This record gives sequence, C-alpha cells and structure tokens, in this order.
Amino acid sequence: QVQLQESGPGLVKPSQTLSLTCTVSGGSISSGGYYWSWIRQHPGKGLEWIGYIYYSGSTYYNPSLKSRVTISVDTSKNQFSLKLSSVTAADTAVYYCARGLDGVLDYWGQGTLVTVSS
Amino acid sequence: DIQMTQSPSSLSASVGDRVTITCQASQDISNYLNWYQQKPGKAPKLLIYDASNLETGVPSRFSGSGSGTDFTFTISSLQPEDIATYYCQQYDNLPHTFGQGTKLEIK
Repeated sequence: QVQLQESGPGLVKPSQTLSLTCTVSGGSISSGGYYWSWIRQHPGKGLEWIGYIYYSGSTYYNPSLKSRVTISVDTSKNQFSLKLSSVTAADTAVYYCARGLDGVLDYWGQGTLVTVSS
Repeated sequence: DIQMTQSPSSLSASVGDRVTITCQASQDISNYLNWYQQKPGKAPKLLIYDASNLETGVPSRFSGSGSGTDFTFTISSLQPEDIATYYCQQYDNLPHTFGQGTKLEIK
C-alpha cells in the first residue's frame, strides 16, 4: 500500500520560501508512469493543483504559480519536494502531496497546514 | 484554464435518498473527469475515474456518468458516512482543474 507523508515548517514568514517534502513509502518513486503532485487547499476553500514531477525530473507547474514554484525529486530518498518563494498570507493553505497516473490522483498524503505570518 | 462548475454548492438530504451532483466543463473534456470525496480534516479520496469507472474498494452506491461538458455523480442511497464535500476534476488539459466542491449534509 503506497503511503505519502508531507513534512516541513508549519509557519513561514512573509516574503520567505515555503519548503515541504513528501516521503513516499510502500512503493518506489521511480516506478514508471507515475507523476508526483502538489495540491493546496486554502482554508474552507476548494482544491488548487500546484504542479507535478516525474522521477526523471520532468516537471509541469500551474501557470498561476509558475514564477514562484520549484518541484524536485530525490529518488535515493524516495522523496519529492516543493519550494514556493516570496510567500504572502494568500499562500496560507493545507498542502497535499499525491501520486498521479494518467490524470488520476489515486494516493494522497494527509496534508499539512502552512501558515504565512510574521 | 478549463473551468469546472459544480452544482449545487451545498445539498441537504436524508439517509436513503438518491443524491445527484452535476459538474459542467467550460469546454469539451471527453471523459477525462474524476470525482473525489473529502471528509472534514482529511485528504480527498478518489471515488470515480474516467467519468464512470468505480475505483477499487469504493461502494457500488456511488456512480458517475457523462462525457463532453456535462457530468453527473450519483449516490443511489445516501448513508451517514457519505457526509463530505465532493469535487470533480478534469485532466483533459493542463493545468488540471477542480470544481469548487459540493458540500453534502444529512437532513
């Protein structure tokens, strides 16, 4: 059974960089065909897809966030990471990592709340 | 971006009721649509993929239909554990986008 777990600071100051890691267990991040995604959910709101990465390092970012987002992968640790720069209060959200295949997000992490505040 | 519009935004129904949620895409997305269930404080869970295919382990009272721009999600007989918010998601075009959600409550 594949499991994903987000980790990282729960509080980030405005203008700084938000950094989160997703650790994958129960399966290899290098398994062919899968992509590894980040999705966020503002408090009480809907879901916003941030972007994804393949184990090869190929990425896609939502154009709405592209200038501030970097997603990377570390196959040796079976992890992938999210960096979001120049954060503001509008980036306060629950951040989820998830596994995707052919457009379907089939396994999700439990989510981690990141608050942007001084 | 493709806009996904769900209706209603919220819904109150009784146990045993048939519940229907609709999702409309701003352009033709064929059958590239998924449905997710999110319970309070939890991550979304995949229920339906490719518009009408039931994910393994999901109860058969859940179903989906549609293609093109108009899609329907149905719970044939509402159970107390179905209280959640339901989201549609298109994956025909990048970025993949979600509907705004439908919050389902027990009457």
